[in-house]
Amino acid sequence: GDSVTQMEGPVTLSEEAFLTINCTYTATGYPSLFWYVQYPGEGLQLLLKATKADDKGSNKGFEATYRKETTSFHLEKGSVQVSDSAVYFCALSDRNQGGKLIFGQGTELSVKP
Amino acid sequence: GAVVSQHPSRVICKSGTSVKIECRSLDFQATTMFWYRQFPKQSLMLMATSNEGSKATYEQGVEKDKFLINHASLTLSTLTVTSAHPEDSSFYICSAGGGGNQPQHFGDGTRLSIL
Repeated sequence: GDSVTQMEGPVTLSEEAFLTINCTYTATGYPSLFWYVQYPGEGLQLLLKATKADDKGSNKGFEATYRKETTSFHLEKGSVQVSDSAVYFCALSDRNQGGKLIFGQGTELSVKP
Repeated sequence: GAVVSQHPSRVICKSGTSVKIECRSLDFQATTMFWYRQFPKQSLMLMATSNEGSKATYEQGVEKDKFLINHASLTLSTLTVTSAHPEDSSFYICSAGGGGNQPQHFGDGTRLSIL
């Protein structure tokens, strides 16, 4: 079945450092890909999305490119802030499964001043 | 602003109590909603797909009689944890939307603690 694998956390960075969180997927169809962010004690917020190969999703300085050839959707940010500390989830949705999301295990990011 | 509202945000109750959690889509109609459970430091586990006007579709291993789902209108789905026990303590999150290329919108979650 479809699956999503993320790099393990926690990831600890200093403020203004470059961030990469790796995400790879397996899917039988042509999924849409998402990054969600979860702040402590809260639900999930959509960070960005990409719906087809070579699409780049971007929001709040975060970017991720849908790479079909490597089945990847790595999250990047050039300069992280303390306020970016949260758990990040990579997810895919197969349109043939009615919007059901399959999540990676989540990567905790901690940014130190 | 929030497009999915989940209530209550936190519940603490005694073992044996039944607890109802509501999930509302605020500015769109949702024929499908999803219920997830999240353990500390872990990912979201899909429990069931709530279908407006019909029975919910449960994921393998989820007890239908323990977790009752009702989706009586296009803007409201409820999850009732029946006769809750301490092992049911968890963070429950609902979502609505999705399908095709559209993202799901998540509620803020309900922290359920059974004493």
